[in-house]
Amino acid sequence: QKEVEQDPGPLSVPEGAIVSLNCTYSNSAFQYFMWYRQYSRKGPELLMYTYSSGNKEDGRFTAQVDKSSKYISLFIRDSQPSDSATYLCAMRGGSYIPTFGRGTSLIVHP
Amino acid sequence: DSGVTQTPKHLITATGQRVTLRCSPRSGDLSVYWYQQSLDQGLQFLIQYYNGEERAKGNILERFSAQQFPDLHSELNLSSLELGDSALYFCASSVVSGSMTDTQYFGPGTRLTVL
Repeated sequence: QKEVEQDPGPLSVPEGAIVSLNCTYSNSAFQYFMWYRQYSRKGPELLMYTYSSGNKEDGRFTAQVDKSSKYISLFIRDSQPSDSATYLCAMRGGSYIPTFGRGTSLIVHP
Repeated sequence: DSGVTQTPKHLITATGQRVTLRCSPRSGDLSVYWYQQSLDQGLQFLIQYYNGEERAKGNILERFSAQQFPDLHSELNLSSLELGDSALYFCASSVVSGSMTDTQYFGPGTRLTVL
């Protein structure tokens, strides 16, 4: 079993939909959680980060961490075609080197 | 644009060959990280350098090596290449080393194809 599991998708939604992207993990030491966005033929860019459990909101994006369930989510409200990308979750704990999920491909069609 | 540059963008070579990938970190960043991204494995950490010294090692094969030079640019050397080495190779940089909250900035990557 991988330390971080993420459904690769693709996830296809219509413009304006609420998108939910998720990761599960097995390492209880993880305490710093990140979401990266990667456009085609580009490097990943940090979108959001949260420390420990709880929610964090930034514009249309909300990151949620449930440490008791070892489950993290990224919600995108009012999704736009420009949100079409691969979203990677990443986590740190114990080691400062992040462990990445495989990424979920999101397609938002007009 | 993250400020991290990588060359070349694409590399096509044959099995058994050796290649060098180059990375220049953001201005002021002392740490450089190398990652391999493939469809089946996702983004895998290979190795980290901080101010010229190796700091952390991940799933890096013995055929692969890296170094960071005094001007802080880094090179990843891949030798005795195999078909399975075909992947995207990313370099990332950050200001410090060892921080849980330090942000890594990724370059655009080098796409390596081994034929």
